[in-house]
Amino acid sequence: EIVLTQSPGTLSLSPGERATLSCRASQSVSSSYLAWYQQKPGQAPRLLIYGASSRATGIPDRFSGSGSGTDFTLTISRLEPEDFAVYYCQQYGYSPPYTFGQGTKLEIK
Amino acid sequence: EVQLVESGGGLVQPGGSLRLSCAASGFTFSSYSMNWVRQAPGKGLEWVSYISSSRSTIYYADSVKGRFTISRDNAKNSLYLQMNSLRAEDTSVYYCARERVMVTTQYYYYMDVWGKGTTVTVSS
Repeated sequence: EIVLTQSPGTLSLSPGERATLSCRASQSVSSSYLAWYQQKPGQAPRLLIYGASSRATGIPDRFSGSGSGTDFTLTISRLEPEDFAVYYCQQYGYSPPYTFGQGTKLEIK
Repeated sequence: EVQLVESGGGLVQPGGSLRLSCAASGFTFSSYSMNWVRQAPGKGLEWVSYISSSRSTIYYADSVKGRFTISRDNAKNSLYLQMNSLRAEDTSVYYCARERVMVTTQYYYYMDVWGKGTTVTVSS
């Protein structure tokens, strides 16, 4: 089973700053199988990025994804107040089909 | 509007059973594989179970294998999760989520539509 480790656990930044979130896999993951989700308190997760770097429908271009192999990154270029949330990476595999990272909480500094 | 609506959650005693439902609308349900994902209070997301569009392929997380059963009724646009022998550690919000498989030069797998979730509490 592939384990996804996200860092940092909590990231404290101010609106307007740049956020860089990391997701490291225990073994190589196909880029097309890596997705990122945003979750706000009391809400369901929302798809942000699929295929490691493709933005989902309606996602602002301040969100970008990159990476390959075992190291993937979600970058938010200029933080807006509504971006403070928890972010999860997810990978599709074979057994089990899906695993999630433990999440990174992005909080207002 | 594409929508998933879960129901059936509640308070149940340890060892008890519960059946969750997920009603789909706004898309051709029978064309999509579906998943259940849960989230314990204050914790991260945990994938629980998967069922293919035709019901031919089913997977479970080790934590629920032998206790939970996923099923679907494509005629009713509905997904189900039968949960037996419930434990305190099954206490979570349970989400149903649609799997999207996009095929271009590669295969892309992700969950693009999520319900709002239904809460299951296992406690005496």
